[in-house]
Amino acid sequence: EPEVTQTPSHQVTQMGQEVILRCVPISNHLYFYWYRQILGQKVEFLVSFYNNEISEKSEIFDDQFSVERPDGSNFTLKIRSTKLEDSAMYFCASRQTALGIGETQYFGPGTRLLVL
Amino acid sequence: TQLLEQSPQFLSIQEGENLTVYCNSSSVFSSLQWYRQEPGEGPVLLVTVVTGGEVKKLKRLTFQFGDARKDSSLHITAAQTGDTGLYLCAGGVTSYDKVIFGPGTSLSVIP
Repeated sequence: EPEVTQTPSHQVTQMGQEVILRCVPISNHLYFYWYRQILGQKVEFLVSFYNNEISEKSEIFDDQFSVERPDGSNFTLKIRSTKLEDSAMYFCASRQTALGIGETQYFGPGTRLLVL
Repeated sequence: TQLLEQSPQFLSIQEGENLTVYCNSSSVFSSLQWYRQEPGEGPVLLVTVVTGGEVKKLKRLTFQFGDARKDSSLHITAAQTGDTGLYLCAGGVTSYDKVIFGPGTSLSVIP
């Protein structure tokens, strides 16, 4: 069964460093998402991406964050200068078609980011 | 701002008992999903409901979407220890390409 994959599974970084989280969505999917979950808190939407551009972003997704689909298969989330509060589990998700018709959103296993 | 609330936040029951988890909002959603999440893993989709009043069954799990598409419930019959986990509801918003998650209900089924 097709699945969303994410690498690395764990990432430890120093505050102020740049990190890139990688995701490979399901191959025929067109809509891509990043969410994060701070330990003990709810899953929070960060950004959605369609047709090579951001379609929606939350207030969390500030200038320190960027997303890219560099080669038609990978979908990346970059944090330019990490802060302690960026420590969280980051989930990538993909969907084949748009919302409104009950289309399933598939989540990856997540990358646990720890900023020291 | 769309918000989803879930109740109860924590639930501990004996194996074999029935339980219901609720998901409520003041906003209307185009679809509503229920996920189950294990510690350290991503959410795994259980069901998507789209039509107001819709009821879906998945073995011992029954999901209902409210008539006004603002609330939903998850009912588990004869709970098993394998049902232990965090149950998340998430609402889809057509006009905005995103899904809003509730805070989750942590279920513990005791043998």
